[in-house]
Amino acid sequence: DVKVTQSSRYLVKRTGEKVFLECVQDMDHENMFWYRQDPGLGLRLIYFSYDVKMKEKGDIPEGYSVSREKKERFSLILESASTNQTSMYLCASSYPRGASGSHEQYFGPGTRLTVT
Amino acid sequence: SQQGEEDPQALSIQEGENATMNCSYKTSINNLQWYRQNSGRGLVHLILIRSNEREKHSGRLRVTLDTSKKSSSLLITASRAADTASYFCATWHTGGFKTIFGAGTRLFVKA
Repeated sequence: DVKVTQSSRYLVKRTGEKVFLECVQDMDHENMFWYRQDPGLGLRLIYFSYDVKMKEKGDIPEGYSVSREKKERFSLILESASTNQTSMYLCASSYPRGASGSHEQYFGPGTRLTVT
Repeated sequence: SQQGEEDPQALSIQEGENATMNCSYKTSINNLQWYRQNSGRGLVHLILIRSNEREKHSGRLRVTLDTSKKSSSLLITASRAADTASYFCATWHTGGFKTIFGAGTRLFVKA
């Protein structure tokens, strides 16, 4: 079974702190994704990566950065946390896109981040 | 803009009844996927239907796709309390580079 793990289930940080969210997958997937999920808004893509050291901005990259130094690990960084970044953060991985579009994504359990 | 939008936003039914959720999208797609999310957890993939398919089954799940109406439906037959969750459709549109998720339908199955 594919396993995607995230470093923390719950996290509380103060405004202005630098925050690292880690995600690791064990299925040798090329693609990895970071989403945030807020009530009524569904999942919004922050960043994704299709290979080591490669990254692409999603819909809401402002205030975030990412790092992918190894294939299995994709980190999300909040450079200076703000209260409007309080949210559920979900990491996912998948195989590369095939001829007919995307493959299914495998999600981690999520990190509920509160910024006070 | 969101590609997939689910309807209804919330649904409450009795155990044993069928649950139907709908998803509409705006532009041509290559495939459409349905996911389930239990409260406070990550999403779990349920089923994928390609743009050249009209119907697909998986256990108690039945998905239909009508590309002319740009809509899909997810039917859960003989629902159980354990089916209580949020259900999301996700679309990969033609020429796109990412999967786009809708806001989800919250299903509550009463025992």
